[in-house]
Amino acid sequence: DIQMTQSPSTLSASVGDRVTITCRASQSISSWLAWYQQKLGKAPKLLIYKASSLESGVPSRFSGSGSGTEFTLTITSLQPDDFATYYCQQYNSYPLTFGGGTKVEIK
Amino acid sequence: QVQLVESGGGVVQPGTSLRLSCAASGSSLSTFGMHWVRQAPGKGLEWVAMIWFDGSYQHYSDSVKGRFTISRDNSKNTVYLQMNSLSAEDTAMYYCARDSSSSRGNWFDPWGQGTLVTVSS
Repeated sequence: DIQMTQSPSTLSASVGDRVTITCRASQSISSWLAWYQQKLGKAPKLLIYKASSLESGVPSRFSGSGSGTEFTLTITSLQPDDFATYYCQQYNSYPLTFGGGTKVEIK
Repeated sequence: QVQLVESGGGVVQPGTSLRLSCAASGSSLSTFGMHWVRQAPGKGLEWVAMIWFDGSYQHYSDSVKGRFTISRDNSKNTVYLQMNSLSAEDTAMYYCARDSSSSRGNWFDPWGQGTLVTVSS
């Protein structure tokens, strides 16, 4: 199974900050990676697919990069609506696996 | 715009069974693979099962293989998860989610709102 490791697990930031979340795969997954945002009590929402493709309707302050085993999700200017938990997910092979999540908190 | 609505969750005793449903409205699911993903209270996301667009093939996580069965009825635009031999470790919010492809297994979009399964004596 491919293990996905996210860091940090918790991040404290202020509105307007640039935020970067890292996701590492235990083996190469090419660009077969997605990012999701989950707010408390809600279902996850797709942000990024194929490592760097922005889902329609997602603000352009979100971006994804990387390939192989190392990936990043960047929020260029954190907004109040962005405080949430973020998950990466690999779809290179079964079983599909998620990272452990990164909670973005208000500083 | 497709909307997914899960149902069938509840409180059940260990060793019993439960069937979850995921009904779609607004668009047909018949050309898309479908998944179940679960989230234990306060924990992260765990992929559970996937079924091809035509129901001809399924994938399962090791934690549910042999106990859970995913199926679909495209005429009803509905996907199911039959869960047998439930244990406390199966307690979670269960989400259904549409795959972006018919069979490969890609990213999930959209997701339903979830249905809560609690296994407790």
